[in-house]
Amino acid sequence: AQSVTQLDSHVSVSEGTPVLLRCNYSSSYSPSLFWYVQHPNKGLQLLLKYTSAATLVKGINGFEAEFKKSETSFHLTKPSAHMSDAAEYFCVVSLRGQNFVFGPGTRLSVLP
Amino acid sequence: KAGVTQTPRYLIKTRGQQVTLSCSPISGHRSVSWYQQTPGQGLQFLFEYFSETQRNKGNFPGRFSGRQFSNSRSEMNVSTLELGDSALYLCASSQDGRVGENIQYFGAGTRLSVL
Repeated sequence: AQSVTQLDSHVSVSEGTPVLLRCNYSSSYSPSLFWYVQHPNKGLQLLLKYTSAATLVKGINGFEAEFKKSETSFHLTKPSAHMSDAAEYFCVVSLRGQNFVFGPGTRLSVLP
Repeated sequence: KAGVTQTPRYLIKTRGQQVTLSCSPISGHRSVSWYQQTPGQGLQFLFEYFSETQRNKGNFPGRFSGRQFSNSRSEMNVSTLELGDSALYLCASSQDGRVGENIQYFGAGTRLSVL
C-alpha cells in the first residue's frame, strides 16, 4: 500500500525567506508524485509533478521539488516566499492504475 | 478552456435526506474522480469514473454512489445523510489514460452541511 507523510502540519516563514515543505512517501514501486496547493475556499491547483524523467522538478510560481529515492522524499522548496503563497499544500502519491493518495497537508503562513 | 465546474457550491441538508452533487469535467477529459475533504480525515478518495464505468473505488459505505454520463459529466449521490457527511466534496477530471499517471484538475468543490 502507498502512503504519504507530511512532517509538518504548519510552517511559518517571513516574506522573502526560503520555504521548505517536507514530504515522505511509502510505495512498493516507482510512484508518480505531485504537489497541489489549496487556497481558502478554492479547489486544488497543481504545482508540479514527478514521473521519473528528472529528479529535480520545477513547478509554477517558483516552486520546485527534488525526488530522492534513497530517502523516499519529495520535499517542496521555494527560494523566496511571497504573501500570496499562504495556503494549504498537499503532497500526493500515486501508482499506475491506482487512485491518488493525499498527505494530510501542510498549512503555510507567510509573515510580513 | 473552461475548468472543472461543480454545482451547487453550497448545500444544506438535514439528517436522513439524500443529496446529488454535479460535476462537469474539462472538455475532452474522460476521467472524473470524487474526493471528500474534512478537517479530521483530510482528503479521501471516493471513486473514479472513466467512460461511464466506475474504475476505482475508495473505502466509503454504499450510501455514497456515483455515475457518469456519455458526455463525461458526473454526479455523486449520498443517501440517508449523516452528520459526519458534512464536508467539502471535490471533483477532479483528467485526460484519457491510466488513472494515477495523469494530472488531475480540480473544481472548487461543493460544501455540504448536514444539520
